[in-house]
Amino acid sequence: DQQVKQNSPSLSVQEGRISILNCDYTNSMFDYFLWYKKYPAEGPTFLISISSIKDKNEDGRFTVFLNKSAKHLSLHIVPSQPGDSAVYFCAASADDKIIFGKGTRLHILP
Amino acid sequence: DTAVSQTPKYLVTQMGNDKSIKCEQNLGHDTMYWYKQDSKKFLKIMFSYNNKELIINETVPNRFSPKSPDKAHLNLHINSLELGDSAVYFCASSPHPGAGGHNEQFFGPGTRLTVL
Repeated sequence: DQQVKQNSPSLSVQEGRISILNCDYTNSMFDYFLWYKKYPAEGPTFLISISSIKDKNEDGRFTVFLNKSAKHLSLHIVPSQPGDSAVYFCAASADDKIIFGKGTRLHILP
Repeated sequence: DTAVSQTPKYLVTQMGNDKSIKCEQNLGHDTMYWYKQDSKKFLKIMFSYNNKELIINETVPNRFSPKSPDKAHLNLHINSLELGDSAVYFCASSPHPGAGGHNEQFFGPGTRLTVL
């Protein structure tokens, strides 16, 4: 029973192009959504978030879009850089609990 | 000046043993968590403590017992280790959501537990 789903286990993108990572959720009670980035042998690090009352949040090269009617959010990275190669976790929050997706491994190709 | 630290980083032990993983945060956060990332890469919450009080306890076997001696520490003790306990365990902390945070959590580097 996955409440947060990242259906693409991996994604390869050419350096300089746009990376789009997708996430779907099932619980309409989630009120906050977050993206975390994880390098091997390290803990996840917070990247960007969005409140359920917004549909877009931008921070530098990173933009998160939220479509509440579709229960879908996406993370756009533009332009993609080699250091962006990592696993990206989508997460959704309700009360004090965060539910994580399974992650998408992003490979930035030279 | 590590924000959230865990020890040990790697732990290899025999089935049936009892082991502990320690976690410390120097961020002044009120809330600390333990997560388990299993072989399928799911990152699942196990426990959450706020100011030394247990606030979330997911369906985790009784063999797992968190202990919070103070707000900056949340240790995880595991009794009678089983093969299925092999995973990476992450500690995390966050400011209490009511204090203006939005549940952004800061994670430790993880402890890879291997039970033989």
